Amino acid sequence: NAGVMQNPRHLVRRRGQEARLRCSPMKGHSHVYWYRQLPEEGLKFMVYLQKENIIDESGMPKERFSAEFPKEGPSILRIQQVVRGDSAAYFCASSSTSWTGFRNEKLFFGSGTQLSVL
Amino acid sequence: EDQVTQSPEALRLQEGESSSLNCSYTVSGLRGLFWYRQDPGKGPEFLFTLYSAGEEKEKERLKATLTKKESFLHITAPKPEDSATYLCAVQATNTGNQFYFGTGTSLTVIP
Repeated sequence: NAGVMQNPRHLVRRRGQEARLRCSPMKGHSHVYWYRQLPEEGLKFMVYLQKENIIDESGMPKERFSAEFPKEGPSILRIQQVVRGDSAAYFCASSSTSWTGFRNEKLFFGSGTQLSVL
Repeated sequence: EDQVTQSPEALRLQEGESSSLNCSYTVSGLRGLFWYRQDPGKGPEFLFTLYSAGEEKEKERLKATLTKKESFLHITAPKPEDSATYLCAVQATNTGNQFYFGTGTSLTVIP
């Protein structure tokens, strides 16, 4: 049973280019979360998606960032016109349940994509 | 505003020297408190979930406890392979699906 798969592991972009980060959740998981981690900082929530729906995007910048989780295929975090401040590790996590009271919910994380903007 | 604060930021222990990591939280209603371990260059790995004050969970040399304001991760007789960053996260009743993470405690166990 493969875990959460993220690719690429490392992504280098020049300022103004687009970055696409991919995440395949664990088998059977339909809930995907994206987090950003900067050195010396904690994991910051960006967006929560279920299949074909964005449930909570309160942590995502209003401009240049978008996320999707299509019916088929991986979840995609897209950053347009990247700037140096976008350099960070981006982690995807998945879970099998929603937050509606089930006490066995926990997040399984991928190994992350390290984005470097030159 | 909901907050999660972990202390100390960094901890160096001799092998076999027991200690505790702290996670204090302020949320309006706690749904769950989670402990994760993160190794360099990897994603966080789930350790424990605690739901109510007084609850305890154990796994090998690790024991997590929870009060109404904080959680402790006790490490008994640590080994070098326990070296990692330990992250605490909370999920609150009024913030839906968000997990709020602390900045972690970087633990180094010296042989």
